[in-house]
Amino acid sequence: GAVVSQHPSWVICKSGTSVKIECRSLDFQATTMFWYRQFPKQSLMLMATSNEGSKATYEQGVEKDKFLINHASLTLSTLTVTSAHPEDSSFYICSALNGVYSPLHFGNGTRLTVT
Amino acid sequence: GQSLEQPSEVTAVEGAIVQINCTYQTSGFYGLSWYQQHDGGAPTFLSYNALDGLEETGRFSSFLSRSDSYGYLLLQELQMKDSASYFCAVRGSLAGGFKTIFGAGTRLFVKA
Repeated sequence: GAVVSQHPSWVICKSGTSVKIECRSLDFQATTMFWYRQFPKQSLMLMATSNEGSKATYEQGVEKDKFLINHASLTLSTLTVTSAHPEDSSFYICSALNGVYSPLHFGNGTRLTVT
Repeated sequence: GQSLEQPSEVTAVEGAIVQINCTYQTSGFYGLSWYQQHDGGAPTFLSYNALDGLEETGRFSSFLSRSDSYGYLLLQELQMKDSASYFCAVRGSLAGGFKTIFGAGTRLFVKA
């Protein structure tokens, strides 16, 4: 159980365009989802906490207007990278919880390349 | 705030046992987790400790001491496929909620 699906697994886009990444919890309801970003050979950096039905909580240094997060239902959260630039190229990974004392379950990640 | 420390690299031989230590600081504590990540892949869950003691899952075990803010991951009967990065992660309090922060990761090299 506790399967998280993330789509797309990779995307290449041109500078200035927007990209939407979807994260779904397939077999449980996730009131909270988390979005992480990972640069090569580095750790996972928390970008924001996505709460169903309310605004996301962003980490310090993460631009809210650039990384739009929507958590419209208990099984779906989306991250939209707006006006993407080459420096936004990274590995974006979503995760979901099935209870506060449960481990995080990760999607397979989205590798974004902005040309 | 939250922070974690773990060794950057560990090397061991096939069949051996290796222990990866993790110390953490957090406001509020909900649990310490361990994740494995192979190059190019997403993290996969290995183990989770919310209470003190040892949790065993096959070849992998994880230990937690909340009073020492310390935990470790123990990998037994090492195999070549265990070569990967291992992350400890602590869940702590965030205003009105909680969040999980990851350590910098330990790169494990398993040699024949």
